[in-house]
Amino acid sequence: QVQLQESGPGLVKPSETLSLTCAVSGFSLNSVYYWGWIRQPPGKGLEWIGNIYHTGSTYYNPSLKSRVTISLDTSKNQFSLRLSSVTAADTAMYYCASLYCSSTSCYSMRFDYWGQGTLVSVSS
Amino acid sequence: QSVLTQPPSVSAAPGQRIRISCSGSSSNIGNNYVSWYQQVPGTAPKLLIYDNDRRPSRIPDRFSGSKSGTSATLGITGLQTGDEADYYCGTWDNSLSGPVFGGGTKLTVL
Repeated sequence: QVQLQESGPGLVKPSETLSLTCAVSGFSLNSVYYWGWIRQPPGKGLEWIGNIYHTGSTYYNPSLKSRVTISLDTSKNQFSLRLSSVTAADTAMYYCASLYCSSTSCYSMRFDYWGQGTLVSVSS
Repeated sequence: QSVLTQPPSVSAAPGQRIRISCSGSSSNIGNNYVSWYQQVPGTAPKLLIYDNDRRPSRIPDRFSGSKSGTSATLGITGLQTGDEADYYCGTWDNSLSGPVFGGGTKLTVL
């Protein structure tokens, strides 16, 4: 059974960098899945942040691309998110998830497995 | 402002049937498959429907999905109080080159 678990600070100061890690168990990162991050501001909907494939290829939401870095650590079977220059607008529940894409075009895609989420607040 | 448009809320009595719509464009729903997610308050989203109308094995057949043109619909029959949740549609957007979601629909079972 695939399980994902986010970890990282729950409070980050404005202008600093948010860093989160997602530990994956029950499945190798070297698989068919892309590994991604999604966030959900309090009381709002879901926003895709970005994905990484086991080859190291990354794909980011254009609205966040200048501030986002997603990386892999296959030796630990985990992947990470870094979001720089955070503001209060980045306060959200952050989820890691496995993304299945049918092909390079992703005409068929789904987030199969999700972590429980971790709440990150941006405040001084 | 979400790329996909869903009604903010829907409600019905136990045992009844509801449908939740999801509207997009040729850049997303019109040329890609749709998935649906259920988010019970305080928990992570869970995959409910994928490829427009396919259910993971653990999802009961009370849940169904369909797609026509640039819109998709989630149907739930035999409503139960445990179905109270937020429901999100999702798909790939060819312009964004990434996944997009609807704003979510809150289902209340009266």
